[in-house]
Amino acid sequence: DQQVKQNSPSLSVQEGRISILNCDYTNSMFDYFLWYKKYPAEGPTFLISISSIKDKNEDGRFTVFLNKSAKHLSLHIVPSQPGDSAVYFCAASGTGTASKLTFGTGTRLQVTL
Amino acid sequence: SAVISQKPSRDICQRGTSLTIQCQVDSQVTMMFWYRQQPGQSLTLIATANQGSEATYESGFVIDKFPISRPNLTFSTLTVSNLSPEDSSIYLCSVGGGRREQYFGPGTRLTVT
Repeated sequence: DQQVKQNSPSLSVQEGRISILNCDYTNSMFDYFLWYKKYPAEGPTFLISISSIKDKNEDGRFTVFLNKSAKHLSLHIVPSQPGDSAVYFCAASGTGTASKLTFGTGTRLQVTL
Repeated sequence: SAVISQKPSRDICQRGTSLTIQCQVDSQVTMMFWYRQQPGQSLTLIATANQGSEATYESGFVIDKFPISRPNLTFSTLTVSNLSPEDSSIYLCSVGGGRREQYFGPGTRLTVT
C-alpha cells in the first residue's frame, strides 16, 4: 500500500518557467511533509518542509503548498534552472512515528534550455 | 546539517555472500536510519538504529537478514546477509535533523550476481 504517491514519473520544463511537482498521501496521521532532491550517485538532499498547521512554506525559489482536505501537496520551483534537473521525492511523517519518513516514488524533473 | 560518509560507495557481490556497509557521521547523533532504494522504486526504511539499544526493524525486514550495529553516536553498520539478486539496491544511511528532516549519506550501490 503506497501511502505517499507521486503520479507523474517525469516532468519537463523550460528554463525560467515554473516547475510544479505534485504529491498525494492517504494516511490522515501524516502531519509533516518534506521534499528531497536527488542527483544520480548521490544521496537525497533535503529541500523544504511543511507542518500540517500551515498551508504554505517558502524558501527562495522553492514553495511548498499543502491542501490537507485533499491530502495533496505540491512543490513549486520558480524560476526553474538547469541545475534543478534531478529526481524529486516527497516524504511524510506522522504523529507518534515522528522519526519515520515515508517516501513517494519520485518525479524526474528535466529543465531544458 | 551533518556530513555523512558511507563505505563502500559501490560493490559487486556473489549470491550467498554478505556485504557490510559503514556509515560515519561528523557529529554525534541519537538516531540513525537505514534505507533501501530498489531500482526504479522509492526509498524504504529498513530500520532505525539508536546507540545502546537494539535496532528497530520495519515490517518486512528482519535482523537475520539485515543485522545492524551502532557502537557509538557517530557510526553504524548495516550488513546485508545471504545475498540474492533481489538485494541489488542502493542502501542509504541517514541521521535526524533539527525537526523531522533527515540528512542522507551518498549511498552504497550493491549489485548481486
